[in-house]
Amino acid sequence: DAGITQSPRHKVTETGTPVTLRCHQTENHRYMYWYRQDPGHGLRLIHYSYGVKDTDKGEVSDGYSVSRSKTEDFLLTLESATSSQTSVYFCAISDQGLATSYEQYFGPGTRLTVT
Amino acid sequence: RKEVEQDPGPFNVPEGATVAFNCTYSNSASQSFFWYRQDCRKEPKLLMSVYSSGNEDGRFTAQLNRASQYISLLIRDSKLSDSATYLCVVKWGNTGKLIFGQGTTLQVKP
Repeated sequence: DAGITQSPRHKVTETGTPVTLRCHQTENHRYMYWYRQDPGHGLRLIHYSYGVKDTDKGEVSDGYSVSRSKTEDFLLTLESATSSQTSVYFCAISDQGLATSYEQYFGPGTRLTVT
Repeated sequence: RKEVEQDPGPFNVPEGATVAFNCTYSNSASQSFFWYRQDCRKEPKLLMSVYSSGNEDGRFTAQLNRASQYISLLIRDSKLSDSATYLCVVKWGNTGKLIFGQGTTLQVKP
């Protein structure tokens, strides 16, 4: 299995509080992604990174920001959590970019509940 | 219309049965196609890529029909361990991004 960890694995927080989720990889892959998964929807891309300090928006980026200061870490921040951000968040990595056919490896997920 | 559509199921089949899932996609410029498998409360993992000529991996066969814009997954001789959700994934040519279907749930019964 690819070396990807996510922390925390579970979190309950209150509306309006800031939350940061961490993705850590030991594979030295260049590309990292944050998705959310909700019932009735497929995985939806929030943000992705194509290198240190290089990030771009996905299809559901509103309310989220990301940072990547090191190859191995990709942080997802909810500046002011809302109940609509209750979801399961998956980090993924790949060694090739979006322009090629490739496999993405997923982390174990973080279950976030916003009350 | 969703960009990638799957019947969510669940498909309940006995062990040893053959089961097929279809998935349709809306963007004719889609370039690459995949099936991922996701066990309950786990992360998705790549099951197989789908090639234009069709491809087989053991009991699993994937087919692509570009004219009708659908891909299929056939599982022969179902095992209890095949119980999972199968995600259809399409890579859009222009953006390169992966678009995931919501998944089809398979339950294989003894």
